[in-house]
Amino acid sequence: AQSVSQHNHHVILSEAASLELGCNYSYGGTVNLFWYVQYPGQHLQLLLKYFSGDPLVKGIKGFEAEFIKSKFSFNLRKPSVQWSDTAEYFCAVITTGGFKTIFGAGTRLFVKA
Amino acid sequence: EAGVAQSPRYKIIEKRQSVAFWCNPISGHATLYWYQQILGQGPKLLIQFQNNGVVDDSQLPKDRFSAERLKGVDSTLKIQPAKLEDSAVYLCASSSSGTSGSYEQYFGPGTRLTVT
Repeated sequence: AQSVSQHNHHVILSEAASLELGCNYSYGGTVNLFWYVQYPGQHLQLLLKYFSGDPLVKGIKGFEAEFIKSKFSFNLRKPSVQWSDTAEYFCAVITTGGFKTIFGAGTRLFVKA
Repeated sequence: EAGVAQSPRYKIIEKRQSVAFWCNPISGHATLYWYQQILGQGPKLLIQFQNNGVVDDSQLPKDRFSAERLKGVDSTLKIQPAKLEDSAVYLCASSSSGTSGSYEQYFGPGTRLTVT
């Protein structure tokens, strides 16, 4: 069965530290990949997405993610986090055709000021 | 552009009662999704509509959950009868469809259901 694994459930960083959140998926076909973020008290919103082309994609607020097909991974990175990045981050996979959407369990990030 | 609307925002019911949630997607979005998000977990897709038709309802507990999307616009999700394990946030999302890059989903604020 298809699944999405996020390796860290809770991450605590100090401001200016670098961030990398892991995401691996299991699906043999073509996928579209997403990272969503949920700030405290707000809706889920799109951070970045990958459909095709350059495997390194850039999103809002300085976030980027790299798709490594051979590793079935789509890790999220930010070189220097801010207190305002405190949120929950979800990796999601949509199988080609849009017929199956699978979310990871989420990673809760807390950034200390 | 107005976002995805959901109501109610909060609902508390007793087990074995019924409850209904309403969702109005972004205008023009053909695809509508209902998710269940239990505390500490990621959203789990319950049902996906493409216009009026159901694309995927493989994870919908059909003995107690039902959903409809009349006229391809707004949608209702019903639980009857509710169980304690149905306590969760129910999220509605919508997306346009058809062309590459259009699977970005826009989420509503969710309905927090507590079953006592």
